Amino acid sequence: SQQGEEDPQALSIQEGENATMNCSYKTSINNLQWYRQNSGRGLVHLILIRSNEREKHSGRLRVTLDTSKKSSSLLITASRAADTASYFCAFLNNAGNMLTFGGGTRLMVKP
Amino acid sequence: DAGITQSPRHKVTETGTPVTLRCHQTENHRYMYWYRQDPGHGLRLIHYSYGVKDTDKGEVSDGYSVSRSKTEDFLLTLESATSSQTSVYFCAISASGLAGVYNEQFFGPGTRLTVL
Repeated sequence: SQQGEEDPQALSIQEGENATMNCSYKTSINNLQWYRQNSGRGLVHLILIRSNEREKHSGRLRVTLDTSKKSSSLLITASRAADTASYFCAFLNNAGNMLTFGGGTRLMVKP
Repeated sequence: DAGITQSPRHKVTETGTPVTLRCHQTENHRYMYWYRQDPGHGLRLIHYSYGVKDTDKGEVSDGYSVSRSKTEDFLLTLESATSSQTSVYFCAISASGLAGVYNEQFFGPGTRLTVL
């Protein structure tokens, strides 16, 4: 399996702090995506970074990609209680036909 | 949930019975996907469709079949359900293929299936 790995599996922080989640993968990729999932709901696409990009921003989200280390990180700045959710990375293989998800990081932001 | 509905939302069935899950979209997107989500495994692709009557296998397709007779509906069938198929099933859609320009996937609300 090409399954990605995420760490930490769970993260608990106070509101206002930054949250960093990491994702590692094993093969060459076309792009890497981050998704959010609230409890009992479907996944929501957050941000996509292509293999030739190193950093991308969207609001309070910052994603980095290091293809030499086969790793990515998602940073959520100035976290809010509403950011409490599970976050998944997913990477697209070079053939462009398989999106593989990591096991997820459960983030809890305490008010 | 971006014009995607799944039915049923919850189902309990017995081992050996057939089960069909339905995904319906109103976005007219060409690509549709079925995933299962299990603790510690994230989401794993079961089957996907790239057009009416065009489907292909994903990572965990054994024990599942799919059909797509029209753009808006993608059916997932468990011919003879087993306890290992207890899971939460998500449908997703995208306008283009995963490597295409409009490749963002939109997910449905999920179906929780329990096989006793």
